[in-house]
Amino acid sequence: DVEMTQSPLSLPVTLGQPASISCRSSQSLVQSDGNPYLNWFQQRPGQSPRRLIYKVSNRDSGVPDRFSGSGSGTDFTLKISRVEAEDAGVYYCMQAQQWPLTFGGGTKVEIK
Amino acid sequence: EVQLVESGGGLVKPGGSLRLSCAASGFTFRDRNMNWVRQAPGKGLEWVSSISSSATDIYYADSVKGRFTISRDNAKSSLYLQMNSLRAEDTAVYYCVRDHNSAYWGQGTLVAVSS
Repeated sequence: DVEMTQSPLSLPVTLGQPASISCRSSQSLVQSDGNPYLNWFQQRPGQSPRRLIYKVSNRDSGVPDRFSGSGSGTDFTLKISRVEAEDAGVYYCMQAQQWPLTFGGGTKVEIK
Repeated sequence: EVQLVESGGGLVKPGGSLRLSCAASGFTFRDRNMNWVRQAPGKGLEWVSSISSSATDIYYADSVKGRFTISRDNAKSSLYLQMNSLRAEDTAVYYCVRDHNSAYWGQGTLVAVSS
């Protein structure tokens, strides 16, 4: 199984400041025809998860451009260029490259 | 608009059974792989099971293998999860999710296993 490890566990951020979340996979995620299936989700309190980024760096429709994804191999990053109040919540990475599908443990973004 | 609406959750005793349903609309259901993902109270996300569009490929997490059965009815645009031999650790919100790339999620249905 591919284990996904996120850091940090908790991320206090000041409004308007950048934030960065790391996700590492236990095996290299390689896709012969393009970026691997590495996705990022945001879950606000009391809501279902919402996909923000798919295949490492593609923003979903309606996702603000302050969110960006990058990485390759085993190291991936979600960045928020300038945090806004609505960005508070828990963020998860997920690999959909092979079964079982696996999620990172989550990173809680808190606004200071 | 894609909609996924789960139902069938509730309180059940250990060892009991429940059948979850997911009603899909807004897309051609028979063309899409589907998944169940769960989230225990205060915990992270855990993939449970996946089924291909024609139900020829089915996968389960080790934690539910042999106890849960995923199925679908393409004529009714519905996804199911039959859960048997339920344990306390199966307590979670269960989400219906479209595609293994997980673009669309339902609102979830709560399953509570307790005596």
